[in-house]
Amino acid sequence: GAVVSQHPSWVICKSGTSVKIECRSLDFQATTMFWYRQFPKQSLMLMATSNEGSKATYEQGVEKDKFLINHASLTLSTLTVTSAHPEDSSFYICSARGGNSYNEQFFGPGTRLTVL
Amino acid sequence: KQEVTQIPAALSVPEGENLVLNCSFTDSAIYNLQWFRQDPGKGLTSLLLIQSSQREQTSGRLNASLDKSSGRSTLYIAASQPGDSATYLCAVDRDDKIIFGKGTRLHILP
Repeated sequence: GAVVSQHPSWVICKSGTSVKIECRSLDFQATTMFWYRQFPKQSLMLMATSNEGSKATYEQGVEKDKFLINHASLTLSTLTVTSAHPEDSSFYICSARGGNSYNEQFFGPGTRLTVL
Repeated sequence: KQEVTQIPAALSVPEGENLVLNCSFTDSAIYNLQWFRQDPGKGLTSLLLIQSSQREQTSGRLNASLDKSSGRSTLYIAASQPGDSATYLCAVDRDDKIIFGKGTRLHILP
């Protein structure tokens, strides 16, 4: 149990286009979902926290108009990178809470975004 | 502000040796601490989770300890194998968010 999926696993897009990444909790209802970004040889950095039905809370330095987060249901959160640029190329990982009594975060497999 | 530090940043050891990875954190008010493994270009694999009320957890050749008062955790790997080569991340959960360390890149020499 407590499986989180992401789609797509990788995506290549042209500069200026928008890309949507989905994060799903497959076998539990996620009260809270988180989005992280990881640059090569760096650790994961939290971008934003989202709760179902409410606006996401963004970390300092993360542009909310560029990284649109929608948490429309208890099993789905989406991250849309708008007007993507090469510097947005990164590994994006989501996580979700609610899968067990420990309130543990379960992580998705990640999405590698490459912007040409 | 919670900061998580992992030492060493990189480590190479011969196969079969036991080794210890270190993690320290500045704020002892944590909900739990978790150790992850990450292979190059891949996502995270959860290894061990220690609740704030616990002092250690064991899984196979892995043992993780937690000393909240001193802000430290260690991950002990026994009888290392080449397949253990990966980056190991320590993460501190404060319930509102998880803060990751920068990781230790482990290379087990065959």
